[in-house]
Amino acid sequence: DSGVTQTPKHLITATGQRVTLRCSPRSGDLSVYWYQQSLDQGLQFLIQYYNGEERAKGNILERFSAQQFPDLHSELNLSSLELGDSALYFCASSVDLGTSGRGPAYNEQFFGPGTRLTVL
Amino acid sequence: SQKIEQNSEALNIQEGKTATLTCNYTNYSPAYLQWYRQDPGRGPVFLLLIRENEKEKRKERLKVTFDTTLKQSLFHITASQPADSATYLCALDRGSTLGRLYFGRGTQLTVWP
Repeated sequence: DSGVTQTPKHLITATGQRVTLRCSPRSGDLSVYWYQQSLDQGLQFLIQYYNGEERAKGNILERFSAQQFPDLHSELNLSSLELGDSALYFCASSVDLGTSGRGPAYNEQFFGPGTRLTVL
Repeated sequence: SQKIEQNSEALNIQEGKTATLTCNYTNYSPAYLQWYRQDPGRGPVFLLLIRENEKEKRKERLKVTFDTTLKQSLFHITASQPADSATYLCALDRGSTLGRLYFGRGTQLTVWP
């Protein structure tokens, strides 16, 4: 058990719909990352939040958005869903250097169990 | 363009042998490189990290090497067991402190009895 929780475990919805995926990081981790994994694309980085603020953006579609709340949990919102959005969505958390420069000088990430999204 | 390539999508070896997985990268200058294990339908699990100034790291039956000149990391599992069967991902940063990792596509290892 990584200490990262994700809900729901499975989600089945229709094209055009909107869903919200939720992630709670490990206690004490300030960084949250979202990844999409499909069979043909591998693990694709979507977005990173650090202590409530967006820090890095990857291949995230405009239809997707995320936020990190004061209690550090994060939500990934996917809207106007298409068949191609069907994938496993993982959240990961890590201890991070942050702007103060304190903390370990590496970035081991702890992954949650994932949410399997099926768009019909 | 930046690329991370892991050797062959699948590797099959006999129990007891050493499995060697390769990760090559281009146009990155990572401060460190990490290896993760992923079982079907589950999240990746961190295994080992090696820094740019380290040549080799060991943990139990696992060994990682990192050659920044060749831009290559080798991941070895000695005395392999069927329970080692999984997909192994390499990941690296871009030398910044922002924390983002770039993952390879992975190598699926099957260890047969």
